[in-house]
Amino acid sequence: GAGVSQSPSNKVTEKGKDVELRCDPISGHTALYWYRQSLGQGLEFLIYFQGNSAPDKSGLPSDRFSAERTGGSVSTLTIQRTQQEDSAVYLCASSTNNQPQHFGDGTRLSIL
Amino acid sequence: DQQVKQNSPSLSVQEGRISILNCDYTNSMFDYFLWYKKYPAEGPTFLISISSIKDKNEDGRFTVFLNKSAKHLSLHIVPSQPGDSAVYFCAASVGGSGNTGKLIFGQGTTLQVKP
Repeated sequence: GAGVSQSPSNKVTEKGKDVELRCDPISGHTALYWYRQSLGQGLEFLIYFQGNSAPDKSGLPSDRFSAERTGGSVSTLTIQRTQQEDSAVYLCASSTNNQPQHFGDGTRLSIL
Repeated sequence: DQQVKQNSPSLSVQEGRISILNCDYTNSMFDYFLWYKKYPAEGPTFLISISSIKDKNEDGRFTVFLNKSAKHLSLHIVPSQPGDSAVYFCAASVGGSGNTGKLIFGQGTTLQVKP
């Protein structure tokens, strides 16, 4: 597709389970970002990839959170042993050539 | 520590009038600023940006003003249309345009344009 694609669009899981969120960036975009938006809050930066490397992981809230990117394209964000405070909308963005970041529609994660 | 602040959670204006959305920042290292618009259940959509070397950037009905000494920027929408009703986020970055690193977002302002 032409835009950033995220899957699943919604995920409901029990506390303590692991979840994996996927992001397909715009083709050719070298930079990829993960953000999350908790209820009533702004977007919070999590991690930034340039190619397959992550020069900035400063926003990952704990070691339960990890992300990888392979082939300079698809990225997965993994949350282990989910907690209720992990409930949020997780947004992925991509960009290239000093252009603004383009966002996907996000994954709404609910932890029961 | 909220480095980018949008102090007005909501704004309501009449169709055809001007909408002014405000944003304040604390980090003097920010050199690139963006506005995004967000509809429910969709991702943010880029609207307009401004580099710190400028004090104004205009794109159609949208104009962004930057006052570096006051660490303040504003988005003007003229004339406002009902389709402009959405949440508007201000964002800032260090190091130029938005793809070189993370964006720091404000909390958002919900704009309602009444017909």
